[in-house]
Amino acid sequence: GAGVSQSPSNKVTEKGKDVELRCDPISGHTALYWYRQSLGQGLEFLIYFQGNSAPDKSGLPSDRFSAERTGGSVSTLTIQRTQQEDSAVYLCASSLGDGNSPLHFGNGTRLTVT
Amino acid sequence: EDQVTQSPEALRLQEGESSSLNCSYTVSGLRGLFWYRQDPGKGPEFLFTLYSAGEEKEKERLKATLTKKESFLHITAPKPEDSATYLCAVHVDYGGSQGNLIFGKGTKLSVKP
Repeated sequence: GAGVSQSPSNKVTEKGKDVELRCDPISGHTALYWYRQSLGQGLEFLIYFQGNSAPDKSGLPSDRFSAERTGGSVSTLTIQRTQQEDSAVYLCASSLGDGNSPLHFGNGTRLTVT
Repeated sequence: EDQVTQSPEALRLQEGESSSLNCSYTVSGLRGLFWYRQDPGKGPEFLFTLYSAGEEKEKERLKATLTKKESFLHITAPKPEDSATYLCAVHVDYGGSQGNLIFGKGTKLSVKP
């Protein structure tokens, strides 16, 4: 079946511009995660959605970052006034959210801020 | 503080040279431990879930084991196509941050022919 889909796969933007990154999770998955991965680094947690509960935003690095999940499905991560340090791969993952199911990841959006 | 530590950070093997990767954890209330494989330019790919000490899972040349403090990913007679970064993640049993999931920083495995 279809996996987690992220778009765009690559995004180059100028410093100061806003960007939106999209994630289409696997159908029926109630949990959705966003991570950031800088070159050669581990996964940095950003935000977590679980069903209709309030999202866990504890990993968002600044108020320039926000995310929403509409209708319990598609999610959009927005970065306002991008900075060069925002350059990274942004990964989305979804799971059944039952506490025991693994995450299934998309292939990420590579963001480059020039 | 809950922590997941992977070692070594990088490992170079010759084809056929078996070895093990380590994932040690200090968490309150383990619900499960996951192993993932990540190839360059791709998202992590799920390999195994382990739930309790003593459990083992196998897939081709890989075998994952779990104790109360750590997990090992054993690679038997590796091939160049096993080259990747291997990540472990721990699912904790409390309403903490990060969606109750804590990732290690990974071990980058290179297998030379």
